[in-house]
Amino acid sequence: ETGVTQTPRHLVMGMTNKKSLKCEQHLGHNAMYWYKQSAKKPLELMFVYSLEERVENNSVPSRFSPECPNSSHLFLHLHTLQPEDSALYLCASSQDLANSPLHFGNGTRLTVT
Amino acid sequence: GEDVEQSLFLSVREGDSSVINCTYTDSSSTYLYWYKQEPGAGLQLLTYIFSNMDMKQDQRLTVLLNKKDKHLSLRIADTQTGDSAIYFCAETTSGTYKYIFGTGTRLKVLA
Repeated sequence: ETGVTQTPRHLVMGMTNKKSLKCEQHLGHNAMYWYKQSAKKPLELMFVYSLEERVENNSVPSRFSPECPNSSHLFLHLHTLQPEDSALYLCASSQDLANSPLHFGNGTRLTVT
Repeated sequence: GEDVEQSLFLSVREGDSSVINCTYTDSSSTYLYWYKQEPGAGLQLLTYIFSNMDMKQDQRLTVLLNKKDKHLSLRIADTQTGDSAIYFCAETTSGTYKYIFGTGTRLKVLA
């Protein structure tokens, strides 16, 4: 399998639930990212990891908690979310932290009820 | 702050050429990208251009960069129904990991 794989593709959760999004990249890249895509808004960068070290936490609420156990895997742990958190969450990777294009997964469509 | 702007919609007939335009504000932009997003999918990298280039061609795709006007365009020759998607322009500056994305242009190809 190649590229960037995200699971699950769809997730519906209540505001009191705890769930996790998973991302795996098979490209041998060193950097991984979480983006949020909401309707009619530009992509929002949430978190950036380089060689498993977090380098960016873009003012994201603490109800979103990232984890990067190794350079191939990235998780986004979710708890006590709000309805406005409903969006498409995209994982991406790049060869290096700068000067290389992003490669995206197909995203997880999250609905918070 | 930096900004990337695109028109929201473009409609073309199958077989015609499509031209999707993008303007950006960051004069230190080094790399400029075009991504395609089909329904239910993530963003697929189509092509990118380094800021010291004026043009890049890749099969049906031609990217033109006017650095003076901070204007980037993507031309799709012989547009097909499978090209219907949202196209995002993005820019980044050398040495940073912050990509600035436009809000996307929805291309509709009419049969």
